Amino acid sequence: GAVVSQHPSWVICKSGTSVKIECRSLDFQATTMFWYRQFPKKSLMLMATSNEGSKATYEQGVEKDKFLINHASLTLSTLTVTSAHPEDSSFYICSARARLARSYNEQFFGPGTRLTVL
Amino acid sequence: QQQVKQSPQSLIVQKGGISIINCAYENTAFDYFPWYQQFPGKGPALLIAIRPDVSEKKEGRFTISFNKSAKQFSLHIMDSQPGDSATYFCAASIFSGGGADGLTFGKGTHLIIQP
Repeated sequence: GAVVSQHPSWVICKSGTSVKIECRSLDFQATTMFWYRQFPKKSLMLMATSNEGSKATYEQGVEKDKFLINHASLTLSTLTVTSAHPEDSSFYICSARARLARSYNEQFFGPGTRLTVL
Repeated sequence: QQQVKQSPQSLIVQKGGISIINCAYENTAFDYFPWYQQFPGKGPALLIAIRPDVSEKKEGRFTISFNKSAKQFSLHIMDSQPGDSATYFCAASIFSGGGADGLTFGKGTHLIIQP
């Protein structure tokens, strides 16, 4: 149980285009999903928190107009990188927090999406 | 400002030995401390987590030791195996009514278990 998927797993796009990344909780409902960014051999940095049906909360320094987050249902959140540039190339990872009460309501992570902007 | 400091950056342990990774945090509001294991090209997987009401938690070969007064916590991997070779991240967050909030991660420890 507690499986989170991401699609696509790898995407290459041209500079100036937009890319959408999907994050799905497959076997549980997630009222809250988180988006992280990870540079090669580096740590994960929290970008934003999204709650189902409401606007995402972005961390300081993250451009909300560039990284559009939508959490339309209890099982799906999307991250759209708008007008992508080479510096946006990174590994984007989502996590989902289970809705049902459990020991810590811990976050379960997806497998990540590798974005390369040419 | 790095709120969670992790050490060592890399660690080599012989098979069957004990791997120890340490973390220190600054934000006293943190009250949820998980450890994650990550393999190359994969997302992090939760290993074990602790809250400040206990000083130690053990699950199988993995143990978290927590020292609230020192604002430190550590991961011990007993009987380390080659399959444990991975990058390990400590993290911290505030535990709200709905669960753990967004995580602040340490910089990671690259662990190699030599056969």
